[in-house]
Amino acid sequence: GAVVSQHPSRVICKSGTSVKIECRSLDFQATTMFWYRQFPKQSLMLMATSNEGSKATYEQGVEKDKFLINHASLTLSTLTVTSAHPEDSSFYICSANLGQNTQYFGPGTRLTVL
Amino acid sequence: GQQLNQSPQSMFIQEGEDVSMNCTSSSIFNTWLWYKQDPGEGPVLLIALYKAGELTSNGRLTAQFGITRKDSFLNISASIPSDVGIYFCAGQLSGATNKLIFGTGTLLAVQP
Repeated sequence: GAVVSQHPSRVICKSGTSVKIECRSLDFQATTMFWYRQFPKQSLMLMATSNEGSKATYEQGVEKDKFLINHASLTLSTLTVTSAHPEDSSFYICSANLGQNTQYFGPGTRLTVL
Repeated sequence: GQQLNQSPQSMFIQEGEDVSMNCTSSSIFNTWLWYKQDPGEGPVLLIALYKAGELTSNGRLTAQFGITRKDSFLNISASIPSDVGIYFCAGQLSGATNKLIFGTGTLLAVQP
């Protein structure tokens, strides 16, 4: 299957700082990538759709000014959590579409905000 | 956000047993995908279903896309300890821009 990477795998930061998470499609180009958030013992919840060369589309209830998404190339999307607070601590996972509506996921980034 | 109804919520079985789990929805889906997630990792794609009624196998795994396009099941035959994990179904809505709606997950524990 297709390979999607994320960096960093885990990050610990102080409250009020900003954190950037990168998502890369390693062996294919992805015009569309997706960002999910997963709290402990829960399912994945879609946060936003990242579109190469245009603005991201955010799901209802997700603050676009807090979760900045940039999809500058066909293989890279970044999610920046601005002014992070403890309630933003979560597992953030990206995915990219390949071919016939099949999404491949990255390994996830564990964010802990102190 | 919207989620699919997935059952059972958890299963505790002996090695060698067969497993079955399913997902249902009130919405019609274009595509059904089944993923497995290990702790601290991203979901890994197991099987993708694109046509109503489609039955697809991947080794010991078999999944089917319901005729009504509103449900799917996943079977695992002769379970082994490494099958342990959380299994998620995910559906892509008709007409949606490739967005996936995830099931609530099934936790599978396999005792050697």
